[in-house]
Amino acid sequence: DTGVSQDPRHKITKRGQNVTFRCDPISEHNRLYWYRQTLGQGPEFLTYFQNEAQLEKSRLLSDRFSAERPKGSFSTLEIQRTEQGDSAMYLCASSPRRLAGGRNEQFFGPGTRLTVL
Amino acid sequence: GIQVEQSPPDLILQEGANSTLRCNFSDSVNNLQWFHQNPWGQLINLFYIPSGTKQNGRLSATTVATERYSLLYISSSQTTDSGVYFCAVLPFGNEKLTFGTGTRLTIIP
Repeated sequence: DTGVSQDPRHKITKRGQNVTFRCDPISEHNRLYWYRQTLGQGPEFLTYFQNEAQLEKSRLLSDRFSAERPKGSFSTLEIQRTEQGDSAMYLCASSPRRLAGGRNEQFFGPGTRLTVL
Repeated sequence: GIQVEQSPPDLILQEGANSTLRCNFSDSVNNLQWFHQNPWGQLINLFYIPSGTKQNGRLSATTVATERYSLLYISSSQTTDSGVYFCAVLPFGNEKLTFGTGTRLTIIP
């Protein structure tokens, strides 16, 4: 069973450019999450999907951010008109389908480290 | 929202020493996870422990849900144990993990 994978692992871009990140969850995990981690802090929730439906978005997710999971498998996170404050580690996680009250453990990918110059 | 506090923020130990990391949370939770973040940023799952006690090799964890805290024990520390340890909780009816600020552990040879 392969883990969560993310691509690219590192991205350096100039302010104002658009960037897109990809996340492939553990196979058959129906829930997928995006988090952001800045230096010295714990990860913060951005958004999550159950299958292809985006069910919750954080206030951290400004209008410049958009996430999709078109077929309920991989997901993309796009940031338009990047700003220096967007520099962070972007982490993806997935968790398996479960019955009500069942185990809801999240498993994380290696992250994409974004640097905006 | 729920608050998660971890202590101590930093811990420096000699190889072979034992340590206890604490996580306090402000409300009832449906899930509590402990992670180790390695120097490359990967979050490694250590324990899924909303209540009770679990052990995995030199690591063990205890969550007392009624008193809203969890402890992570590391025995006979090795240099590879260095990194940041995070506690993260999931309140009932919620899907977003809320992380503490972490404990940075440094093991000196």
